[in-house]
Amino acid sequence: DGGITQSPKYLFRKEGQNVTLSCEQNLNHDAMYWYRQDPGQGLRLIYYSQIVNDFQKGDIAEGYSVSREKKESFPLTVTSAQKNPTAFYLCASSILLQPTGGRDIQYFGAGTRLSVL
Amino acid sequence: GNSVTQMEGPVTLSEEAFLTINCTYTATGYPSLFWYVQYPGEGLQLLLKATKADDKGSNKGFEATYRKETTSFHLEKGSVQVSDSAVYFCALRKRDRGSTLGRLYFGRGTQLTVWP
Repeated sequence: DGGITQSPKYLFRKEGQNVTLSCEQNLNHDAMYWYRQDPGQGLRLIYYSQIVNDFQKGDIAEGYSVSREKKESFPLTVTSAQKNPTAFYLCASSILLQPTGGRDIQYFGAGTRLSVL
Repeated sequence: GNSVTQMEGPVTLSEEAFLTINCTYTATGYPSLFWYVQYPGEGLQLLLKATKADDKGSNKGFEATYRKETTSFHLEKGSVQVSDSAVYFCALRKRDRGSTLGRLYFGRGTQLTVWP
């Protein structure tokens, strides 16, 4: 089945530690995204990537880093510089917009819940 | 800038009641509009969408009409079920000039609980 797989489902971070969240998709999508969800806040965009070896900062990139070495994979590292990392992290992917638009729906993984020990 | 405002929850209804969740947006140009649904502990699933003014999106008994004159995309369902209990997110997609990437901008979400 095609889809987006995020792992782990739950993750705990110690003080000063970097942790990496995995996101893999087998939908052959070019674009991938990372969002952070806090209670009552909706989703906020952290990073996004349109193509392998290229990515752009979203609205809240500070304290996070990403890589896009393969089309299928877009891991997110939460660094020690992120002082409030406790949140639900969602990865998404989509095709790029076509000239006529309409088909670039974003599909989401099941999420990773990160907590601080 | 681009933003979405949706009605604050939680919304609590009895089974078979009528549902409305209000959503208004601010954007330049002609964004596409979406409703996503999130069940407990899961990611988001697309519920319905509309890509131009006066389009009506519909799915699983839910409907929303893209109203450009009121910049709104309210979600409605005539008869809710217990299984509809979830968080509902309104979102707009806006493409920057010259870009092939359509960014999504989300509202804060509305928690719906339906009692039997």
